[in-house]
Amino acid sequence: SQQGEEDPQALSIQEGENATMNCSYKTSINNLQWYRQNSGRGLVHLILIRSNEREKHSGRLRVTLDTSKKSSSLLITASRAADTASYFCATSEADRGSTLGRLYFGRGTQLTVWP
Amino acid sequence: DAGVIQSPRHEVTEMGQEVTLRCKPISGHNSLFWYRQTMMRGLELLIYFNNNVPIDDSGMPEDRFSAKMPNASFSTLKIQPSEPRDSAVYFCASSSRTGWVEAFFGQGTRLTVV
Repeated sequence: SQQGEEDPQALSIQEGENATMNCSYKTSINNLQWYRQNSGRGLVHLILIRSNEREKHSGRLRVTLDTSKKSSSLLITASRAADTASYFCATSEADRGSTLGRLYFGRGTQLTVWP
Repeated sequence: DAGVIQSPRHEVTEMGQEVTLRCKPISGHNSLFWYRQTMMRGLELLIYFNNNVPIDDSGMPEDRFSAKMPNASFSTLKIQPSEPRDSAVYFCASSSRTGWVEAFFGQGTRLTVV
């Protein structure tokens, strides 16, 4: 399966600390995306990194991609209580015919940020 | 734009009944996805459409599930007959260029089959 897997499953930190979540996947991709889901809500797109990129920033978010290791990490700096949510990585396969366009989601990391 | 709109937000039905979930994608988006989320299985892609045509329905669990997209602004996911194991949150998502850009999710329909 192409499905990404996030690690850890759960992460609990204090406000102000940095949070790092990892994602591993199995086959070639054309991009990897990170999404956030607040309890009881839909997923919200955070950032997309293409297969030819190694690092990308957006505000307090930093994403890295290592295609040789088939892994990505999401770093949230100076975390806030409002960052409490589940975070998912999603991969888009490269050139797979009928599966082109599928977004494969991992099981997510539940992040809790304590005030 | 109001985003992806799903209805109803919550549905409680008895086993054996037909359930229809509805989705209005973002105007101009040409790809639409139906996902199911449960604690046990996570987020599963059921089916996706490109330009109103089903491209991949390999995730549809059984013949009891069917999806249609009669036009670019509306899609339905139907379960007939429903079973308790179908209880989940069903999400619809749309994107403007399949796989190359982000998907926008609706708020989901929480389905409970009793």
